[in-house]
Amino acid sequence: EAGVVQSPRYKIIEKKQPVAFWCNPISGHNTLYWYRQNLGQGPELLIRYENEEAVDDSQLPKDRFSAERLKGVDSTLKIQPAELGDSAVYLCASSSQDYGYTFGSGTRLTVV
Amino acid sequence: LAKTTQPISMDSYEGQEVNITCSHNNIATNDYITWYQQFPSQGPRFIIQGYKTKVTNEVASLFIPADRKSSTLSLPRVSLSDTAVYYCLVGDTYSGGYQKVTFGTGTKLQVIP
Repeated sequence: EAGVVQSPRYKIIEKKQPVAFWCNPISGHNTLYWYRQNLGQGPELLIRYENEEAVDDSQLPKDRFSAERLKGVDSTLKIQPAELGDSAVYLCASSSQDYGYTFGSGTRLTVV
Repeated sequence: LAKTTQPISMDSYEGQEVNITCSHNNIATNDYITWYQQFPSQGPRFIIQGYKTKVTNEVASLFIPADRKSSTLSLPRVSLSDTAVYYCLVGDTYSGGYQKVTFGTGTKLQVIP
């Protein structure tokens, strides 16, 4: 089993540019999460999907962030335009009822 | 929402047992307690989960008192590779997903040779 796969692993962009992150969850995991983790902090939830439905996006900055999960499998998180404060690690996770979260390795975003 | 409180950091020598305690005074009836481990440049990794009393697996033990207002993660005979950040999570895993779960800042464990 491949686990949760995220790409790219690293991304450096200039401010005001768009950026997108991709996540492929574990097969059969209906619940998918996007988290943002700032240096020295714990992950903070941005959005949670149940299949293709976003059931909790209360922490997603909707003026510049968007997400989609087409067909209830892969998901994409987009930032447009990026700001300096968006520099962080963006983590994707999926879950089943038995063992909680399985996280990907994350995408480290640096906005310059 | 069940908030958790953990020590910010801990140091331990190799070969010692490490106990990390987490406080969760307003834990709800349906909430489970789960611990995750995170190494630099990786996502958090599931260690152990429990509801009450004691749970043990191949890497750790989890002790939960009867009132469930706290829990203790026990790592036996730590090695340098156990140096990581450990997160305590409390949340309702009903319906196959964590609802309203918040990661705190975790406990940074440094294992010393």
